Amino acid sequence: QKEVEQDPGPLSVPEGAIVSLNCTYSNSAFQYFMWYRQYSRKGPELLMYTYSSGNKEDGRFTAQVDKSSKYISLFIRDSQPSDSATYLCAMRFSGGYNKLIFGAGTRLAVHP
Amino acid sequence: EAGVAQSPRYKIIEKRQSVAFWCNPISGHATLYWYQQILGQGPKLLIQFQNNGVVDDSQLPKDRFSAERLKGVDSTLKIQPAKLEDSAVYLCASSTFRDRSLGSPLHFGNGTRLTVT
Repeated sequence: QKEVEQDPGPLSVPEGAIVSLNCTYSNSAFQYFMWYRQYSRKGPELLMYTYSSGNKEDGRFTAQVDKSSKYISLFIRDSQPSDSATYLCAMRFSGGYNKLIFGAGTRLAVHP
Repeated sequence: EAGVAQSPRYKIIEKRQSVAFWCNPISGHATLYWYQQILGQGPKLLIQFQNNGVVDDSQLPKDRFSAERLKGVDSTLKIQPAKLEDSAVYLCASSTFRDRSLGSPLHFGNGTRLTVT
């Protein structure tokens, strides 16, 4: 069993839709949870960073962490064609040397 | 600030040949990471440097991969000899070193796409 599971998609939605992206994980010791966006032939860029359980909102993006279920989500409201990318969840333990464990990524396509 | 620079962008080699990748991190970033991203998968950490020293190389295939970080700044990753399964994008990232319990965001370069034929 992989430490972090993520549905690879692809996910295709119309412009303006609400998008829900999810990851599950097996190690309850993960404390920090991140979402990275990766455009084709580019490196990942950090979108959201949350600690422990709860919600965090930034513009059209909302990150949710449910540690009791070992489940994290990223919601994108009013999706735009420019949101078309691969979304990678990542997580790490408290302490240590900042080692991130990534999911496989979900490919999202937003069509006009 | 300038981002993480990597070169070359693309490399095609035959199996059993050697190859080297170069990374220049963001100025002042003490921590440097090399990740391998195979098509359809998430990045996997190969090696992590804190200044000059290696703090994690548990997933580096040491019989064929090597890496060094010169003077705590630039880094090179080498593969010798290459295998077909090494075809991947090799991503370099850097971060500041804050409180370990807080961590700090990774800044990635655009990677080197390696094809081994």
